[in-house]
Amino acid sequence: DTGVSQNPRHKITKRGQNVTFRCDPISEHNRLYWYRQTLGQGPEFLTYFQNEAQLEKSRLLSDRFSAERPKGSFSTLEIQRTEQGDSAMYLCASSRWVGRAGNTIYFGEGSWLTVV
Amino acid sequence: AQTVTQSQPEMSVQEAETVTLSCTYDTSESDYYLFWYKQPPSRQMILVIRQEAYKQQNATENRFSVNFQKAAKSFSLKISDSQLGDAAMYFCAYRSDTGTASKLTFGTGTRLQVTL
Repeated sequence: DTGVSQNPRHKITKRGQNVTFRCDPISEHNRLYWYRQTLGQGPEFLTYFQNEAQLEKSRLLSDRFSAERPKGSFSTLEIQRTEQGDSAMYLCASSRWVGRAGNTIYFGEGSWLTVV
Repeated sequence: AQTVTQSQPEMSVQEAETVTLSCTYDTSESDYYLFWYKQPPSRQMILVIRQEAYKQQNATENRFSVNFQKAAKSFSLKISDSQLGDAAMYFCAYRSDTGTASKLTFGTGTRLQVTL
C-alpha cells in the first residue's frame, strides 16, 4: 500500500477565492473521510463516503464546502469563497469497512490551507 | 453526542522512563472502540493502539498499553521505555460500533516531549 495521498500539501489563497484539495485513498478502501484540524485542536469530522455515496456530513460542512467521490476512488474537497476561518489542515483518511468499528483508519499527511 | 477529553496539554518524560497519558470520554452507548493515535510533527497520524469496549482485558502493543476503565469512562495510555521517536502529539479517539460506525471523535491532544 502506498498510503493515503493528499495534494496540494500547502495552499495559500486570498480570501474569497475557491480552493480544491484532492485525496487518493489506499487502493480498495471503500470508505473515505475528511477531517479538519486547527492548531492546538484534535481533528474534527467533516464528512465521509462509502464508495461513491456521501453518507454523513457534519454541521461544520457549510454550504461553501462540497466533497465528491465520483467513482468511488479519489475524492475532492472544494471550499468556495474562502474565509480566514477556513485556515486549517484538511485531513483525508481511508479504511476498508468490514462491519465493525475497530477497523484501522489510515490518515494522509494533510493539506494545509492558509487564507490571507 | 460523544465527547473525548484530554486534560494534559503537554507531558514530558525522560528517555527510558514510563509516562501515562490520560483520556476520559462521555457516551451513553455500550458498544464502541477507543483508540490512541500518534501525530509526529509534519507527519501523518498513525494508530498506536485500540481497545474494544466489550473486552475487559487491556490492550497492549509492545511498549504501549492502556488502562481501560469502562465504568469510569477512562482510557489512559502508558508508554514504557520511552524513546526519542515517541515525541509527538497523542490523540485519544472514540468510535461508535452502532449503526454505520462512521466518524472518529478526537480529544484535543497531549504533546509528549522526550528528553535525554
